[in-house]
Amino acid sequence: GEDVEQSLFLSVREGDSSVINCTYTDSSSTYLYWYKQEPGAGLQLLTYIFSNMDMKQDQRLTVLLNKKDKHLSLRIADTQTGDSAIYFCAESPDNQGGKLIFGQGTELSVKP
Amino acid sequence: ETGVTQSPTHLIKTRGQQVTLRCSSQSGHNTVSWYQQALGQGPQFIFQYYREEENGRGNFPPRFSGLQFPNYSSELNVNALELDDSALYLCASSPGGGRGRTNTEAFFGQGTRLTVV
Repeated sequence: GEDVEQSLFLSVREGDSSVINCTYTDSSSTYLYWYKQEPGAGLQLLTYIFSNMDMKQDQRLTVLLNKKDKHLSLRIADTQTGDSAIYFCAESPDNQGGKLIFGQGTELSVKP
Repeated sequence: ETGVTQSPTHLIKTRGQQVTLRCSSQSGHNTVSWYQQALGQGPQFIFQYYREEENGRGNFPPRFSGLQFPNYSSELNVNALELDDSALYLCASSPGGGRGRTNTEAFFGQGTRLTVV
């Protein structure tokens, strides 16, 4: 079946690291994605990882992928108040023509 | 800011009415996907259009229908609106028919907030 799961809330202090976790079900997904949604806005693609990689770093963002456990995480270093938003992980099974399957979203709250 | 524009940004409809939402795609993109995002939920895939043909559909009833035009812009039509249709409707444009890494090059619009009363 199709199911992407995330914890719903995360609260951190400004300057700390944030780690948002996600589990997915379809091992055929070639790419896995992290999106950011600010209040009242659409989705912004933050980063993605190719399924044969274990890690991808992009400035303050680090994505870790454990394909065996179907576990994906997003680490945000030096978290800022502007990082407060909802973060969605998503998979795109190869046999489903580009359909994105999203988790429920993790609301990140960054306190000064 | 993406080149994907959705209209209108907000609207209110009465149960049983019909609604049309519009999406203009990013220049150079030939694929448009539509998603429904209920409050507090992740987006759910409705369907995708590639070169004016439906190219995949999610678990939505037939009263959700769409069109894609020769300029690759798209419409989402919903008939016989129900209260549960209240949601943010997002479109995403991408190149390449949704295959391979095309979602890595997909851009989402700001969405249309539909309220059904």
